[in-house]
Amino acid sequence: EPEVTQTPSHQVTQMGQEVILRCVPISNHLYFYWYRQILGQKVEFLVSFYNNEISEKSEIFDDQFSVERPDGSNFTLKIRSTKLEDSAMYFCAGEQGPKRAQYFGPGTRLLVL
Amino acid sequence: SQQGEEDPQALSIQEGENATMNCSYKTSINNLQWYRQNSGRGLVHLILIRSNEREKHSGRLRVTLDTSKKSSSLLITASRAADTASYFCAPAYSGGGADGLTFGKGTHLIIQP
Repeated sequence: EPEVTQTPSHQVTQMGQEVILRCVPISNHLYFYWYRQILGQKVEFLVSFYNNEISEKSEIFDDQFSVERPDGSNFTLKIRSTKLEDSAMYFCAGEQGPKRAQYFGPGTRLLVL
Repeated sequence: SQQGEEDPQALSIQEGENATMNCSYKTSINNLQWYRQNSGRGLVHLILIRSNEREKHSGRLRVTLDTSKKSSSLLITASRAADTASYFCAPAYSGGGADGLTFGKGTHLIIQP
């Protein structure tokens, strides 16, 4: 059964550094999402992406964040200048169509020091 | 989009017993989805029930939906230790587009051996 994969599984970075989190969605999915979960807190929506552009974004997704799908396979989340409060688990998800089941990856645990 | 609210926040039962958890939401939905999250892992889609459905089954899972009360329930029958996890409902609201799901605090289910 196809799965969503994410790399790296863990990343430690210094405050102010740029990080890129990578996701490979299931091949027949068309809608893509990033979520984050700060330790002990709720899973929070960041951004959705369809047809090579952002469809919806939350208040968390400010100018420090960007997403792209450069090669039709990888789906990336970039944080330009990380802050301590960016430390969280980041999940990517995909779905075949809107309002359908979303399939999540295992997550990348980001620690900003 | 608005989150669903799960109830109870925590539930501890003996292996073999049935577990019931509830979800309430605020506005009209296209469908409602249930997800499971094992500690520190990605969310796993369990079941999706559409707004015109009242009940749906998948293996040991039974979901009901009452749109007049804006509520849903998830029943896990014959629970197993592996069912220990957090369970979340995610209402998918009416309207087009790739809407991110909004998750609540979930029901933390513990199955005692």
